[in-house]
Amino acid sequence: EVQLVESGGGLVQPGGSLRLSCAASGFTFSSYAMSWVRQAPGKGLEWVSAISGSGGSTYYADSVKGRFTISRDNSKNTLYLQMNSLRAEDTAVYYCAKTTRRGEPHSAAFDIWGQGTMVTVSS
Amino acid sequence: SYVLTQPPSVSVAPGKTARITCGGNNIGSKSVHWYQQKPGQAPVLVIYYDSDRPSGIPERFSGSNSGNTATLTISRVEAGDEADYYCQVWDSSSDLVVFGGGTKLTVL
Repeated sequence: EVQLVESGGGLVQPGGSLRLSCAASGFTFSSYAMSWVRQAPGKGLEWVSAISGSGGSTYYADSVKGRFTISRDNSKNTLYLQMNSLRAEDTAVYYCAKTTRRGEPHSAAFDIWGQGTMVTVSS
Repeated sequence: SYVLTQPPSVSVAPGKTARITCGGNNIGSKSVHWYQQKPGQAPVLVIYYDSDRPSGIPERFSGSNSGNTATLTISRVEAGDEADYYCQVWDSSSDLVVFGGGTKLTVL
C-alpha cells in the first residue's frame, strides 16, 4: 500500500524552528518528486515547496523562501521540511504529497497525500 | 504571479450536474489538476492532466480545459460529493505550484 506518514508538528514560539518528516512506503521513493502543501485553519490549500526525485532541484513558495528548506534521504525513504524563523502565519496543517512525475515536479499532480501534521506558531 | 480564480461556492440538487470553474490567463496551455477535500481529511486527486481520472474515481467526475477556463464536471451528483474542490497548476514562468482558492460544493 502506498503511504505517506508525517511527523514533527507541534507548538513553537515565533522565531523558533521545527523539522517535519514524511516517511514514504509502497513505491520507489527516489524516483518521484515530492512536495509539501499546507492549509491554515479554515483556509485553502497553499503549496510550500517541492523537490526532485534526486534531491538536486528544489522549489519554494515566496512566502517561505529563505526560511524553509526541503530535503530528502532516499536511503531512508524520507522527506523533510526544516522550518526556521517561524511566524504566526505559518500556523497550518502541513501535508506531504507524492507527485505523479518521475524526476522533476513540473506540471505534476499530487496523487498521494499524508494525513498531515499540525504546526502551531504562538507565544 | 499566476492566479487561479474559483467561485467560492456552488450548489446543486442531487442527481443534477455540477460544474466548477477555474479561471486563469491562458490556462488552456497548462495542465490542470483537481482535488476533493472533505472536512478533516487530506485532499484526494480526482482529475489530473485536465481530464484523466485516477483509478477509483467514479466516471461521474470529468474535466476539461480550454482558453482561460478549466472546468470540473460532476454528473449525477450525490450527497457524498459535498466537499471543497481545488484546482492546481504548475506555473512554468516562475517554477511554482499554484492552487485556486477552492470551491465549496453544497448538495441541496
